[in-house]
Amino acid sequence: EVQLVESGGGLVQPGGSLRLSCAASGFTFGSYAMSWVRQAPGKGLEWVSIISGSGGSTYYADSVKGRFTISRDNSKNTLYLQMNSLRAEDTAVYYCAKGRYDILTGYTHFDYWGQGTLVTVSS
Amino acid sequence: AIRMTQSPSSLSASTGDRVTITCRASQGISSYLAWYQQKPGKAPKLLIYAASTLQSGVPSRFSGSGSGTDFTLTISCLQSEDFATYYCQQYYSWWTFGQGTKVEIK
Repeated sequence: EVQLVESGGGLVQPGGSLRLSCAASGFTFGSYAMSWVRQAPGKGLEWVSIISGSGGSTYYADSVKGRFTISRDNSKNTLYLQMNSLRAEDTAVYYCAKGRYDILTGYTHFDYWGQGTLVTVSS
Repeated sequence: AIRMTQSPSSLSASTGDRVTITCRASQGISSYLAWYQQKPGKAPKLLIYAASTLQSGVPSRFSGSGSGTDFTLTISCLQSEDFATYYCQQYYSWWTFGQGTKVEIK
């Protein structure tokens, strides 16, 4: 059974930093791209970042580029999101999601999601 | 960025009803569209991908159709556990979501 468990959320002041973790189990972690998606309180879903299975390729939404860094440790089956220079508008529940790559089309969607961890940016 | 627009934003329905939700992309996305169900305080759950392929374990009362810019999610016979918010997502160019459709009890 695929399980994704996020941790590391909390209250942080504007301009501060936080590192989120996502512990994965139930699948061969290093074989899949992994992503972060966030949801502001009462709002919809926003894709944040994605990393390839090897960790060699990373991509970011414009809203977080230059401030957030995605990484992974395949020996620990863990995904990370380092968040710096946090702003009030970064307040959200952050979900990690497993990528499913369609070898025929070359496109990736997300098939399993964790329960999320809440990040609150406020003074 | 590709914008996804869902309609309606909310709807009220009764158990047993047939429900249809529409999603429109701001440009063609072929069939690279997924549908998710989200209940309050829970993670999104994948229902359909590739516009019409049912995710394993999802009841057959859920179905998806469409290609290009216009897509539909249909619940053929609404059950009590289906009251939730539904999101479409394109994965043709990066990943963007619709604003959600809340299905409420009538």
